[in-house]
Amino acid sequence: GAVVSQHPSWVICKSGTSVKIECRSLDFQATTMFWYRQFPKQSLMLMATSNEGSKATYEQGVEKDKFLINHASLTLSTLTVTSAHPEDSSFYICSARGAYASRGDPYEQYFGPGTRLTVT
Amino acid sequence: RKEVEQDPGPFNVPEGATVAFNCTYSNSASQSFFWYRQDCRKEPKLLMSVYSSGNEDGRFTAQLNRASQYISLLIRDSKLSDSATYLCVVNQGGYQKVTFGIGTKLQVIP
Repeated sequence: GAVVSQHPSWVICKSGTSVKIECRSLDFQATTMFWYRQFPKQSLMLMATSNEGSKATYEQGVEKDKFLINHASLTLSTLTVTSAHPEDSSFYICSARGAYASRGDPYEQYFGPGTRLTVT
Repeated sequence: RKEVEQDPGPFNVPEGATVAFNCTYSNSASQSFFWYRQDCRKEPKLLMSVYSSGNEDGRFTAQLNRASQYISLLIRDSKLSDSATYLCVVNQGGYQKVTFGIGTKLQVIP
């Protein structure tokens, strides 16, 4: 249980185009979803936190107009990288947290498999 | 001082060895602590939560020292399959904010 999927798993796009990444919680309701970015040999960096039905909270230094986050339902959040540039190439990972009857810790996050974005 | 600090390693240990990692955190109000495992080019997977009383899961033991603000992970009888990066994760306070350490890379050698 507690499965989170991401789509696509990898994408190559041209500079200037937009890319949408989907994150779904498959067997639980995700009241909160997180979006992370990880560059090679670096730690996960939180980009934003989104609660279902409300605007995302972005971390300092993350442009909200460039990284559009939508969390319209309890099982789906999307991240759109607008006007992507080569420096946006990275590993984007979502995680979800929410009601899951068999888990005891409310702070545990379940991660999606990640999306590897390459902008040429 | 970083919010969460880990020695990035790598730690190269022979199979069967015992190895321990520490992770320090700066916010004394931090509430929850976790160890995640991340394999190369994969997403992090929860290894174990860290409780105040310490907890053990097979060959893995996690401990929390609130006075000195660090958590530890002990791996006994290392297996080749334990080779990975181990991420320390700290809930900073409140329900939302979590911070990842940079991760400690472990390489178990035959």
